[in-house]
Amino acid sequence: EVQLLESGGGLVRPGGSLRVSCAASGFKFSTYAMSWIRQAPGKGLEWVSVISGRNIFYAEPVKGRFTISRDNSKDTLYLQMNSLRGEDTAVYYCAREDWVGLDYWGQGTLVTVSS
Amino acid sequence: DIQLTQSPSFLSASVGDRVTITCRASQGISSYLAWYQQKPGKAPKLLISAASTLQGGVPSRFSGSGSGTEFTLTISSLQPEDFATYYCQQLNSYPRTFGPGTKVHSK
Repeated sequence: EVQLLESGGGLVRPGGSLRVSCAASGFKFSTYAMSWIRQAPGKGLEWVSVISGRNIFYAEPVKGRFTISRDNSKDTLYLQMNSLRGEDTAVYYCAREDWVGLDYWGQGTLVTVSS
Repeated sequence: DIQLTQSPSFLSASVGDRVTITCRASQGISSYLAWYQQKPGKAPKLLISAASTLQGGVPSRFSGSGSGTEFTLTISSLQPEDFATYYCQQLNSYPRTFGPGTKVHSK
């Protein structure tokens, strides 16, 4: 059974940093593109980043501040978030991409940026 | 970047109704469009990929069509468990983008 489990969310002050993780199981992690998507409270879905092999892409609002990475030996996806702003407050989801859709999602982890 | 619009933003419907949601892309995306259903407090669920491919376990009352710039999601006979928010997403290019969502609520 495919499972994705995010962790690492919490409260952080503006300008601070946080790393969220996504532990994967039930599939050959190294062969799939993996994405981060976020959802601010009461808002819609916002695509954040994807890592596929050595290819990495970011949404414009997070470019230069967020870094996606993966450890295929640990079946884990990461999102390092620096210079956090209030508008980064959201539930962060990881998801597996099979090129035609995000077919499995984690339950999400809440990141709150506030002083 | 490719922009997606959805219409309507809100849809009032009753059980048994036929429901249609439209997603339009700012430029052609072939059939690289997915539809998701999200219920409050839950992660989104993939319903349809490649514009018209129903995912395993998704009821056959859901269907998708379209290509290029205009796509539709149809629920042939709305069921109580279908009241939710629906999002389209393009996977033609990066950055991947989502539509703003359509909330289907009870009339």
